[in-house]
Order: sequence, then structure tokens, then C-alpha cells
Amino acid sequence: AQSVTQLDSQVPVFEEAPVELRCNYSSSVSVYLFWYVQYPNQGLQLLLKYLSGSTLVKGINGFEAEFNKSQTSFHLRKPSVHISDTAEYFCAVSEGGSTLGRLYFGRGTQLTVWP
Amino acid sequence: NAGVTQTPKFQVLKTGQSMTLQCAQDMNHNSMYWYRQDPGMGLRLIYYSASEGTTDKGEVPNGYNVSRLNKREFSLRLESAAPSQTSVYFCASSDFWTGNQPQHFGDGTRLSIL
Repeated sequence: AQSVTQLDSQVPVFEEAPVELRCNYSSSVSVYLFWYVQYPNQGLQLLLKYLSGSTLVKGINGFEAEFNKSQTSFHLRKPSVHISDTAEYFCAVSEGGSTLGRLYFGRGTQLTVWP
Repeated sequence: NAGVTQTPKFQVLKTGQSMTLQCAQDMNHNSMYWYRQDPGMGLRLIYYSASEGTTDKGEVPNGYNVSRLNKREFSLRLESAAPSQTSVYFCASSDFWTGNQPQHFGDGTRLSIL
């Protein structure tokens, strides 16, 4: 089964600073990669996804992520964060084979943006 | 456009009681999922339904049962609730069981078992 590691459980940052949330997954022949965001007392919303093609993918709210196959990583970045970006962020991976449609989630990274 | 609707939003149960969590989606999706979210654990898959008429166990199925009532609805049942089942439960749906389809989530059911 796929294993997804989010290296930081909490990331505090000041407003307008850049941020990177790290995600690594266990190796597989082919994977699909997702980042979701969860605001307090809400469900998860899709930020961006990598299916194929360009390794740099852009999502909503100014976020982007880069797929690095050799390092099995899919780190999420934003050049300048806002207070409203405070939320929990989840990296998720799906793979081929018998578990085709299943999503494996990391444990989440709480991003807190301070004024 | 409601997306994925879960009911109830909150529930408190006593140990040993049973209840059913309801989920409905209006996006004509084929696949549906039930997750539980516990602090520091991310989301763990309980059961899923790749298509109408099929259900399969996920990572943590013990103590739960599911029913895919029709294409829109997928319910989760706790037959005899235990304190370890205190959690936030999320239902999700996706277009197909192909891995490249993003999942759409409901707002969750917050369940406490005393």
C-alpha cells in the first residue's frame, strides 16, 4: 500500500512570507498526486492535482506544487501567504493496480499565518 | 448545487447504541467513500463503493457496515457504537474509480460516543 509522509505537522509563518509544505510518498510506477485544504469545521477542498505532463502544477488561491519523481516528492508552495490561508493541508496519492481509485492521505500540515 | 450532503452534522451516542450516517451526492458520480478523521491521523478509508451495486472494505472497516442505496446515496452504519469510534466522519464521491478523479467531500459528521 502507498505511504504518504507530510514532514511537518505544523508550519507557522508571517503574512506575506513564502511557504513550502512538504510531502513525500513511497515509490510506485505511476501515481496521481493531490493537495487538499481543510478550513475549520469544513470538508476537504481540492487545491491542485498532478496527473501527467508538466511537473509544475498551479492550483487555486495562488498555490503551486512540483512533482519530483526521482525524490518521490510533491511539495506545495506559495510565494506570499495571507491570513486566510490558515488551514490544514493534506497531501494525497492514488496509484494503479487493484487500489486504483483509492486515495492515501498524509497526516496533514497545519499552516498558521500570523499578522 | 449542494455537492455532497451529510446528515446529521453532529451526534452524541451512548456506548452500544446504533446509528446510520447518511450521505447523498448530486453530481451523478459513480464512486463514493467513507472516511474517518482523527487528530494527527489524517483521513483513513473505512469503506468505499467503486460503482453502484458494489462495496469494499478500506483501511479501517471493523465495527462499520455500509449500504449503497442507489447511485446518489451511500450510508454508514455503526451497529454497536464504541468510544473508539468517536471521530469526524466524511463522505466523498468521485466521477469514476480511476485514480485520476479528484474526490469531492461533504462537511462531515462529528460523532461523540460516551
